[in-house]
Amino acid sequence: GIQVEQSPPDLILQEGANSTLRCNFSDSVNNLQWFHQNPWGQLINLFYIPSGTKQNGRLSATTVATERYSLLYISSSQTTDSGVYFCGLTGNTPLVFGKGTRLSVIA
Amino acid sequence: NAGVTQTPKFQVLKTGQSMTLQCAQDMNHEYMSWYRQDPGMGLRLIHYSVGAGITDQGEVPNGYNVSRSTTEDFPLRLLSAAPSQTSVYFCASSRGRLRSPLHFGNGTRLTVT
Repeated sequence: GIQVEQSPPDLILQEGANSTLRCNFSDSVNNLQWFHQNPWGQLINLFYIPSGTKQNGRLSATTVATERYSLLYISSSQTTDSGVYFCGLTGNTPLVFGKGTRLSVIA
Repeated sequence: NAGVTQTPKFQVLKTGQSMTLQCAQDMNHEYMSWYRQDPGMGLRLIHYSVGAGITDQGEVPNGYNVSRSTTEDFPLRLLSAAPSQTSVYFCASSRGRLRSPLHFGNGTRLTVT
């Protein structure tokens, strides 16, 4: 099946800093999504982005399917951005997830 | 819209007991799935369904049963709970299996003693 690798595993930022999270995958994909798991455990869908670039406020994501990676950018980070960020993707199998990047934003 | 609703939020079972985790969605989504989340393991797929009457196994199906009699509901059954099934369980749904955003419920935290 598809292998998914996220980096870095952990990230600590000062409030206001920018960051880039990476998701590498091993095969062609039909569907790539980014999720945020907040400190209360809720999983929120941030982006559905099989290719190209999308932006939503301070967050943006880019997927380069031909090179098998996706990037999630967080600008001007806030303490509410803390949590774990997962990428999930499908090829011919249901959605599988990376192990996540744990982000801590410190005031 | 309620989205994806999971009940209960918390549950404690003794080894060998059985129970059903409930999942319902009101978005008319064809695709539904169950994941478990364990520390350091990320989210792993247990079972999924691409429509009423159709289910299939995911990565970690052993010890769990599912059925899909309606589009809205996708319950997960633990037939004989084991401590290894202590985890947080998430139900998720989407319009289709491959090319649709996935929406998660708020999870059920299960402890088996």
